[in-house]
Amino acid sequence: NAGVTQTPKFQVLKTGQSMTLQCAQDMNHEYMSWYRQDPGMGLRLIHYSVGAGITDQGEVPNGYNVSRSTTEDFPLRLLSAAPSQTSVYFCASSSGQGGKLFFGSGTQLSVL
Amino acid sequence: AQTVTQSQPEMSVQEAETVTLSCTYDTSESDYYLFWYKQPPSRQMILVIRQEAYKQQNATENRFSVNFQKAAKSFSLKISDSQLGDAAMYFCAYRLYNNNDMRFGAGTRLTVKP
Repeated sequence: NAGVTQTPKFQVLKTGQSMTLQCAQDMNHEYMSWYRQDPGMGLRLIHYSVGAGITDQGEVPNGYNVSRSTTEDFPLRLLSAAPSQTSVYFCASSSGQGGKLFFGSGTQLSVL
Repeated sequence: AQTVTQSQPEMSVQEAETVTLSCTYDTSESDYYLFWYKQPPSRQMILVIRQEAYKQQNATENRFSVNFQKAAKSFSLKISDSQLGDAAMYFCAYRLYNNNDMRFGAGTRLTVKP
């Protein structure tokens, strides 16, 4: 019963490096999203997708790219990491409108 | 834009006592969901309780209950008979019926004293 799987759990990058955070869900959910969590700010939506081939920007999209080639996978790409992107990142999925979000276990990212 | 405000950055409660966490939100919509999520030190986000705005009856889940005041745009969480395992960060969240964008408050860190 995997649910939402995120990898890696921890990552350290140098400024300017690129990387991809992986997210996969096995619940056949149409909706997937990426959040970042920063102290005192809660969780903020970066990008989301309502189905394969469809993505849209959330509240804080700058510096991040996403794609959704399959229902199961929704990777988040940092093209040129900056210290301001140091955060905990969560992937989440949902079965339908207004439904609860199922979260992955998070990725702690540090950009030096 | 919808906003969610949690005015208590930190709260503490004695084991077996009751504590209430506050949440207010700002919206011009009438159809939406409200949630409380718990985040223990493991970092996992765990759904505690959900309320549909069209329901007047307050949601309950065992020791957890809400006081939903739609006109006041208030959604507080009451934890009864607090246990050490309740210690965590608690997030209030809002989501429209026809929109997948979920907005979160800044969180309240709850400490449970033995």
